[in-house]
Amino acid sequence: SQQGEEDPQALSIQEGENATMNCSYKTSINNLQWYRQNSGRGLVHLILIRSNEREKHSGRLRVTLDTSKKSSSLLITASRAADTASYFCATRASGGSYIPTFGRGTSLIVHP
Amino acid sequence: EAQVTQNPRYLITVTGKKLTVTCSQNMNHEYMSWYRQDPGLGLRQIYYSMNVEVTDKGDVPEGYKVSRKEKRNFPLILESPSPNQTSLYFCASSLSLKISTDTQYFGPGTRLTVL
Repeated sequence: SQQGEEDPQALSIQEGENATMNCSYKTSINNLQWYRQNSGRGLVHLILIRSNEREKHSGRLRVTLDTSKKSSSLLITASRAADTASYFCATRASGGSYIPTFGRGTSLIVHP
Repeated sequence: EAQVTQNPRYLITVTGKKLTVTCSQNMNHEYMSWYRQDPGLGLRQIYYSMNVEVTDKGDVPEGYKVSRKEKRNFPLILESPSPNQTSLYFCASSLSLKISTDTQYFGPGTRLTVL
């Protein structure tokens, strides 16, 4: 069951520009996490935001969470070619579910 | 170095030939899980384990088995592989399932082709 859905599916930008990708989900959550995956490699955790938090920062990354709209956004500022990857959101539903649910991902290409 | 390792990284096999993909973590994590990743479908969880001898089904468990005899190891077993199990498989672990610490660490992946 796919809870989180990323949007857009693909994003192509120039180096130095900002990249914004969104994640929408269906049910109440305990937390939401963003992961990055370089082509064919394992996922790497970026940020975890809890349901009672609205915004978190980590370096050039900014994540927001709007539980009323059941959505989150990931902003990468001053993008670099090395940011080229797929980005996934994963939600941990409230109510005791132990299965984190990943979306299908946003494919980001940053052109040098 | 803290890591999750998987072996083999690449495997081509034939229908019906039993195989095992190993997964090991050196972080003393309680929670481990297996995912498969297919184009257009994202990551789907196959099985997970909350601790030694405790395993449970994920979203797509059919055709797979797992065991958790030791905390560090969580092998994925395909008793009779079929072509629809051709996929990219990831093992992951996390310290616990507490809401603030359930960040998952992923292995490098195993690309399996079943002919």
